[in-house]
Amino acid sequence: AQKITQTQPGMFVQEKEAVTLDCTYDTSDQSYGLFWYKQPSSGEMIFLIYQGSYDEQNATEGRYSLNFQKARKSANLVISASQLGDSAMYFCAMREGGARQLTFGSGTQLTVLP
Amino acid sequence: EADIYQTPRYLVIGTGKKITLECSQTMGHDKMYWYQQDPGMELHLIHYSYGVNSTEKGDLSSESTVSRIRTEHFPLTLESARPSHTSQYLCASSGDRGPYNEQFFGPGTRLTVL
Repeated sequence: AQKITQTQPGMFVQEKEAVTLDCTYDTSDQSYGLFWYKQPSSGEMIFLIYQGSYDEQNATEGRYSLNFQKARKSANLVISASQLGDSAMYFCAMREGGARQLTFGSGTQLTVLP
Repeated sequence: EADIYQTPRYLVIGTGKKITLECSQTMGHDKMYWYQQDPGMELHLIHYSYGVNSTEKGDLSSESTVSRIRTEHFPLTLESARPSHTSQYLCASSGDRGPYNEQFFGPGTRLTVL
């Protein structure tokens, strides 16, 4: 079974609007961490935001927020006030238990329209 | 400012050649990783290291090998390149620098084997 599922291969959003990128995960561990990374066309991976499984509040970093619904095992990324520079591939990833490895989803290609 | 470096950024090479992809980090991280990523697809872990003289294979089987003789250096070698090795290779490291032990990625090496 897929550990990280991103069901939206591609998304379009109008500049200045908000967009939600979906991510669901599967784990039997009680302790885990969820990450979102951005990958522009240049190829590097840029860390955006983190949510720990025991964090009661949703994580926020500037225009990025993580809508964490533990019972549903979802960790959706919300980007507010989209900018043209937000156009990129976005990956959801999970680190389980004491592991240092990350498992990545298949990604969502976001295109921001002017 | 990048603290993890990969060279070369792009490499086009003929079948049967031996290649080494370089990865260095200046953050003093113990843990380093190599991921393979086909265009528009998810990242797959192929090797990781938890410290000097420690290397393990990742989830995705790979014909490449790695070494970790120095903390800052984690090169990947292909003894005989084949067209099936064409892909992007991303190096990452993690440690105590980030609050979430997040992985920091290098810019990647795009390998094409003719």
